Amino acid sequence: EPEVTQTPSHQVTQMGQEVILRCVPISNHLYFYWYRQILGQKVEFLVSFYNNEISEKSEIFDDQFSVERPDGSNFTLKIRSTKLEDSAMYFCASTGQGLNGYTFGSGTRLTVV
Amino acid sequence: DQQVKQNSPSLSVQEGRISILNCDYTNSMFDYFLWYKKYPAEGPTFLISISSIKDKNEDGRFTVFLNKSAKHLSLHIVPSQPGDSAVYFCAAMNRDDKIIFGKGTRLHILP
Repeated sequence: EPEVTQTPSHQVTQMGQEVILRCVPISNHLYFYWYRQILGQKVEFLVSFYNNEISEKSEIFDDQFSVERPDGSNFTLKIRSTKLEDSAMYFCASTGQGLNGYTFGSGTRLTVV
Repeated sequence: DQQVKQNSPSLSVQEGRISILNCDYTNSMFDYFLWYKKYPAEGPTFLISISSIKDKNEDGRFTVFLNKSAKHLSLHIVPSQPGDSAVYFCAAMNRDDKIIFGKGTRLHILP
């Protein structure tokens, strides 16, 4: 069964540093997403990506965030200057043409110290 | 290996009837199960959960049933309402607090 792979599983970074969270979506999927869940809170939508551009983004996804699909297989989320409140579990997901069958990755736990 | 499986990608139910969403899992070490509801361009919203030591949990129109021997859980919505149209995710947690989501079932409530 194809999987969405996220690396690393856990990243610790100092406040103000840049981090890149990596995701390898399922190869024939067309829509890609990032979500995050701050400990004890709900899962929040960050951004959706289709046809090499952002299709929707939430208020959380400000200028500190960017996404990229640099090589046709990886889908990355960059946080330019991390803040303590960016500490969360970040989930990548992808779907195919019919928008059925979201596949989530197992998440990257980001800890900003 | 997909540890949490939702085998029905979509389901259509008449308004007022019961919606039953199913989920199977493979890892007997999961100790907590959750259902999430998701609208387009929003994150999944927590709906209801059940501990592995229980077999039923009810909250208003939503009831989750857990059959540990069959490694199966289901979400019942009764009566179904138009606002229930959404994608529903089954999820499981183990002791390291990692959430594993199923692929989701798109529920359509028909008028």
